[in-house]
Order: sequence, then C-alpha cells, then structure tokens
Amino acid sequence: GPKVLQIPSHQIIDMGQMVTLNCDPVSNHLYFYWYKQILGQQMEFLVNFYNGKVMEKSKLFKDQFSVERPDGSYFTLKIQPTALEDSAVYFCASSLALRGNTLYFGEGSRLIVV
Amino acid sequence: GDSVTQTEGQVALSEEDFLTIHCNYSASGYPALFWYVQYPGEGPQFLFRASRDKEKGSSRGFEATYDKGTTSFHLRKASVQESDSAVYYCALGEWDSNYQLIWGSGTKLIIKP
Repeated sequence: GPKVLQIPSHQIIDMGQMVTLNCDPVSNHLYFYWYKQILGQQMEFLVNFYNGKVMEKSKLFKDQFSVERPDGSYFTLKIQPTALEDSAVYFCASSLALRGNTLYFGEGSRLIVV
Repeated sequence: GDSVTQTEGQVALSEEDFLTIHCNYSASGYPALFWYVQYPGEGPQFLFRASRDKEKGSSRGFEATYDKGTTSFHLRKASVQESDSAVYYCALGEWDSNYQLIWGSGTKLIIKP
C-alpha cells in the first residue's frame, strides 16, 4: 500500500531541548496528520493540516507544538521545549481527501525525553 | 460526541480458530468505518473500510459488515494464523465534519502456536 516515511525512527533528547520529527507523506496526498501513542495505549489525535494551515487540533497539541510543511518538503512536528510527558511514539499519517477518507500511517518516531 | 467501543481488550486463540472482535459505534451522522492492524513496533496499517449500511469490507481473510441497525462493524476471520498476532483497531470517520478518525481502544490478538 501507500507508504509514509518518518525520520528519525528513534530519538533521545534532554528535557527542555527542541525536537523536530519529519514525515514524508504519500506523494499525491493533501491532508496530513500527527497522532501520539504512549506505550500500550491507543492512538490519540494531535493535529491535521491542509494547504499550509492547521485545520483541527486537539487539547494534546500544546502551545509548545507546531507543524509546517515548507515548500512541499517534509511535514514536520516541532516540540519546543520538550517535557518528560512528551515521551511517546508519534505517528504521521496522510490522506488524499478529508471527510471519511482513508489515512495511511508511517512507522512512527519514538521520542524519549530524559 | 462520536465514539467507538471495542469490548475485548485481549483475545487469545489457537491457530485455525475462528475470530470475532466486536466493534460498536455511536455517531450523529453516517460515518465511514475502518479496521486497522498494528504490529509491534510499527504504525497502524489500513485493513479495509465500509461506507454504507450492509457494505462488507475485507482484506487478508478478515472481513466486517457495516450494520447501521446494530451500530456494529465486527471483525471476523474464519481461521487465524500465528502471524495475525497484533493489535486491531476499529475507527470511524464522519463524512460531514471537519473530521479526525475516532479510534477504539484496540484489541490485542494473541495466537498460540
């Protein structure tokens, strides 16, 4: 099926530092998403993004979080500054359309904040 | 608000057993329904979807039928294999809202060899 690539697969970072997670979505997809999953728990929606703008975000999408996709390159999630509770696996997803459409996920970026 | 309920947190079966994982939903509109599978250390993989009442989705031997009357989308497989061990998520997506996927809590399937 369609592939979403995420870089890095793992990152360990000191609390308070900045981290950027990168996502290369499916090539013709227009909508992009970030989800957070703490080990053993279910996926939690963070944000969706279209045409250069955040369309919807959840309460988990704190002020320290930001997303962008400059010039059609990687879709990024930046956390600045990081906190211990940000430790999780972050999944990027993309879809061709929005309402009712199928999301395709990457393999995740495991973030450990120490 | 919309929600998805998976009643089984974990299901343990032997190879060649019949599988049922229950999924019930609550939605104000007429949602699309999805099944995703997540293997350890990987992202969720799309299995299949259904968008209207009585529509059957299927993939890799798994199937589910959209039932608007019972608000259900139960996952079934006639004969499971050890390689089916994973976490299975039911999800819904609304057609008429600025939506995000609403996920169930997941069901861990353990297949004993």
